[in-house]
Amino acid sequence: GENVEQHPSTLSVQEGDSAVIKCTYSDSASNYFPWYKQELGKGPQLIIDIRSNVGEKKDQRIAVTLNKTAKHFSLHITETQPEDSAVYFCAASMGHNKFYFGSGTKLNVKP
Amino acid sequence: DAGVIQSPRHEVTEMGQEVTLRCKPISGHDYLFWYRQTMMRGLELLIYFNNNVPIDDSGMPEDRFSAKMPNASFSTLKIQPSEPRDSAVYFCASLRGQGTEAFFGQGTRLTVV
Repeated sequence: GENVEQHPSTLSVQEGDSAVIKCTYSDSASNYFPWYKQELGKGPQLIIDIRSNVGEKKDQRIAVTLNKTAKHFSLHITETQPEDSAVYFCAASMGHNKFYFGSGTKLNVKP
Repeated sequence: DAGVIQSPRHEVTEMGQEVTLRCKPISGHDYLFWYRQTMMRGLELLIYFNNNVPIDDSGMPEDRFSAKMPNASFSTLKIQPSEPRDSAVYFCASLRGQGTEAFFGQGTRLTVV
């Protein structure tokens, strides 16, 4: 099956700085890559996703890039704010809705 | 829509007891997933259904775990008998179609003592 690795496991940045979280996947058949944000005591919530026919996608301060050749994708958060502090998960899917999640990155944005 | 609804939010039970977790997916969603989240293993897919039919239960840890979806608006995950190592947060998620956003419930925090 698919194997998704995520780094770093923890990330601490100063408010206003950028944060980058990286994931790699093993199966070239994967074609859908969502990113989820999980706040304390809540379920994960989708923040952005990208499909394999696109190299980059942006939504305000959040962007995701995908390199199919290298089989890695990254989440970029610019101008970080304290409310961005949470655990972020990447995932990969081959379109059959079986999602393989990374191990998570705990982001701490210091005011 | 109220989103994916799970109950109970918290469950504390003694080892050996039966535990039933409940999930109401978003109306119109045809896929339903059960995940388990622990510090050690992260988010693990236990089982998922499509149109109420179990598609893949390869993540169910052992025979003590069972899941049902009797209709499009209700699913249960049962653990019998429960063990301390089953302590985790269990999430239910649903989505419509394929390659689309999965919506997660708030989770059930299970503690087996």
